Amino acid sequence: AQSVTQLGSHVSVSEGALVLLRCNYSSSVPPYLFWYVQYPNQGLQLLLKYTSAATLVKGINGFEAEFKKSETSFHLTKPSAHMSDAAEYFCAVSDAYTGGFKTIFGAGTRLFVKA
Amino acid sequence: NAGVTQTPKFRVLKTGQSMTLLCAQDMNHEYMYWYRQDPGMGLRLIHYSVGEGTTAKGEVPDGYNVSRLKKQNFLLGLESAAPSQTSVYFCASSYTGWDYEQYFGPGTRLTVT
Repeated sequence: AQSVTQLGSHVSVSEGALVLLRCNYSSSVPPYLFWYVQYPNQGLQLLLKYTSAATLVKGINGFEAEFKKSETSFHLTKPSAHMSDAAEYFCAVSDAYTGGFKTIFGAGTRLFVKA
Repeated sequence: NAGVTQTPKFRVLKTGQSMTLLCAQDMNHEYMYWYRQDPGMGLRLIHYSVGEGTTAKGEVPDGYNVSRLKKQNFLLGLESAAPSQTSVYFCASSYTGWDYEQYFGPGTRLTVT
């Protein structure tokens, strides 16, 4: 069965520190993987997407994620946090099955950035 | 382009009342979705549509109905609102399905008392 687990509902970092948000997935077929960001009182926006072209995916605002098949992980990183990165981040996995497709979102990780 | 818009932004209902949420997209996307977002639970799919005139059930469809009479619009209806339907509702659209990113509207905050 398809599932997404985001480790840590809240992550706090200092400005300038490394950001690491963890996502593990399960899927019966090679999936498409996404990271979305949600700023307060807004809808979700795409940060980056894995489509099997490259295991290291670069997104907007300096974020990147690495697909590791052996670990079924797709962790999101940014070398240096900025105050404007404070938001909620969602990992999503999408795959096809007979008769349709399914996209599952993780529960989200709220990132706090301290000055 | 306005992208995905939702109407209204906020609404308060009494138990048993009905309402319709409107979603519109101007990107000519085939697929449209309705989600609800509750604290600690991420987004859960209510209903979705893979094209004009089609609808399908998602993960949590009970108590909701949808219609997609025009390609650009996707309506979510609550026939008899319950306090458990207090949530933030998001509409999204995508070019096709599972391999394309979804574009989200700004959300509708619904409170049922």
